[in-house]
Amino acid sequence: QKEVEQNSGPLSVPEGAIASLNCTYSDRGSQSFFWYRQYSGKSPELIMSIYSNGDKEDGRFTAQLNKASQYVSLLIRDSQPSDSATYLCAVPPKSNYKLTFGKGTLLTVNP
Amino acid sequence: DVKVTQSSRYLVKRTGEKVFLECVQDMDHENMFWYRQDPGLGLRLIYFSYDVKMKEKGDIPEGYSVSREKKERFSLILESASTNQTSMYLCASSLRAGPYEQYFGPGTRLTVT
Repeated sequence: QKEVEQNSGPLSVPEGAIASLNCTYSDRGSQSFFWYRQYSGKSPELIMSIYSNGDKEDGRFTAQLNKASQYVSLLIRDSQPSDSATYLCAVPPKSNYKLTFGKGTLLTVNP
Repeated sequence: DVKVTQSSRYLVKRTGEKVFLECVQDMDHENMFWYRQDPGLGLRLIYFSYDVKMKEKGDIPEGYSVSREKKERFSLILESASTNQTSMYLCASSLRAGPYEQYFGPGTRLTVT
């Protein structure tokens, strides 16, 4: 099993819709979870961190974590064309300061 | 604001040349990382460093070496560039203590001809 898996996409949503991005991870000991946004030709930018089960909201973004199911998701409400990017899920294995990245999900928001 | 800078945004080198990519961070982070990113392969870790003069191999170290003489600076060296090293190279840094979020530099697009 791959250590961090994301829905492969690409994902296309209309402007104003909710975009849902999903990620599963294999290491039950992982304690922190990150979402990065990467525009084409640019470097990854950290947009959300979550450490506890449940939801964490930041503006139009909501991260959801379920450690029992080893699942973390990112919801983008009122999606905008400027949200079009690749979204990377990243998880540090237990007791390890390296990050394991998923391959990313390409999101396109259509005007 | 975390600031990670890389020496070049675009670089073109010839096969066999020695190539230096430099990365500097201004947040006093202990950990620094070099990745390459290729379409369909995602981010792959080349080398990382958890302290000055300390380094560990990542997943794809072959053909690369690194140097960390000062805490803020981490260099990636391609001893003899080859065309299969054409890629986007990304530097990142993080604190030694958790939760380990990494901050990336702008990247260097290297083309080896």
